[in-house]
Amino acid sequence: DGGITQSPKYLFRKEGQNVTLSCEQNLNHDAMYWYRQDPGQGLRLIYYSQIVNDFQKGDIAEGYSVSREKKESFPLTVTSAQKNPTAFYLCASSISIMTEAFFGQGTRLTVV
Amino acid sequence: AQSVAQPEDQVNVAEGNPLTVKCTYSVSGNPYLFWYVQYPNRGLQFLLKYITGDNLVKGSYGFEAEFNKSQTSFHLKKPSALVSDSALYFCAVRGTTGTASKLTFGTGTRLQVTL
Repeated sequence: DGGITQSPKYLFRKEGQNVTLSCEQNLNHDAMYWYRQDPGQGLRLIYYSQIVNDFQKGDIAEGYSVSREKKESFPLTVTSAQKNPTAFYLCASSISIMTEAFFGQGTRLTVV
Repeated sequence: AQSVAQPEDQVNVAEGNPLTVKCTYSVSGNPYLFWYVQYPNRGLQFLLKYITGDNLVKGSYGFEAEFNKSQTSFHLKKPSALVSDSALYFCAVRGTTGTASKLTFGTGTRLQVTL
């Protein structure tokens, strides 16, 4: 069953802790993306990666970090430097940078 | 910098009536344009795209969109709305120059279809 898997679906974090969100795809896509969704603000791009071992900052990269060591995996770490991390996080992938992106089901992160 | 504007936060339409969800964009080079739909607490589902060719693009679930280069618009349409179409709709754009790999989304339009 092909697709993009994000885990966990819900995540709670204490203030000051780092947390890592998982994103795995078995679609053999080269490009992967992380977006943050807040009510009324749409989707904002955090980081994106066109190929393995390469990634670029998006529009709101501060307080986040990523790695792309394998084609199928693009984990996102929300660090303690991110001042307002409570949000819905969406991972996506596409065959290339020019095609449509396919999304995972999202991870809802709440800081407690 | 590329951008997408969805001027309406919400669109209300009666079932059976035609619907339009508006989108305008700004991008370097030729645009690649996309529409997505999101149901509560779920990821986005791809509806349709414009890359090149015919300005009227047909997609999933009876949706279509019209590309207008002079007005830099890509409005989503459906001839007859269903209650099940009620959801959050996002327009997105990629450019073909500069940071072409960035896929930029609008803020979304909530479509409410009533009986």
